[in-house]
Amino acid sequence: SAVISQKPSRDICQRGTSLTIQCQVDSQVTMMFWYRQQPGQSLTLIATANQGSEATYESGFVIDKFPISRPNLTFSTLTVSNMSPEDSSIYLCSALLQGLGEKLFFGSGTQLSVL
Amino acid sequence: QKEVEQNSGPLSVPEGAIASLNCTYSDRGSQSFFWYRQYSGKSPELIMSIYSNGDKEDGRFTAQLNKASQYVSLLIRDSQPSDSATYLCAVYNAGNMLTFGGGTRLMVKP
Repeated sequence: SAVISQKPSRDICQRGTSLTIQCQVDSQVTMMFWYRQQPGQSLTLIATANQGSEATYESGFVIDKFPISRPNLTFSTLTVSNMSPEDSSIYLCSALLQGLGEKLFFGSGTQLSVL
Repeated sequence: QKEVEQNSGPLSVPEGAIASLNCTYSDRGSQSFFWYRQYSGKSPELIMSIYSNGDKEDGRFTAQLNKASQYVSLLIRDSQPSDSATYLCAVYNAGNMLTFGGGTRLMVKP
């Protein structure tokens, strides 16, 4: 398994500001993913972050709004830019471990509230 | 559109009973299948993975996979109130995509 540390665990932000979420994995992984989860909903993939390449964004998500960094095989950040109340959600980072079958593990999540 | 479908529930079972959670998927090329448990306000926790047809048992949990029928299920034996959570089915395909179902809310009543 993998231990994934995500911070901050929660934040309350003002409209128009930006928040950067950090995700640290205790082992080297090629693929990391960022998800968003609205209350009572399932997970929505924001983007895939592979080390050494640009993040790949899903439909409805753009780099200007959600810039991602992946400087090495154990770390990634997601920035939520120019926030509005509609960005209030839980943001989850995850890491894919590949060995005897693929397994995806999640960080503890960041609960974001935008006022 | 690759889809993973689950009954949203809630599925209510009495304590000690078997809870049966089902999931269907549309992509025949899917390779790996996972069940996650998510408690309210917490992140998803991987509880079972299954890669080949048949049953896989781990304690009180059994995952069942039928690729011909494109479904995967999770059985929880001797259900406990602490099993009350949302269970997410996830399917991984060769395009390095993990697709989640909408989740089934399980309620185990004492």
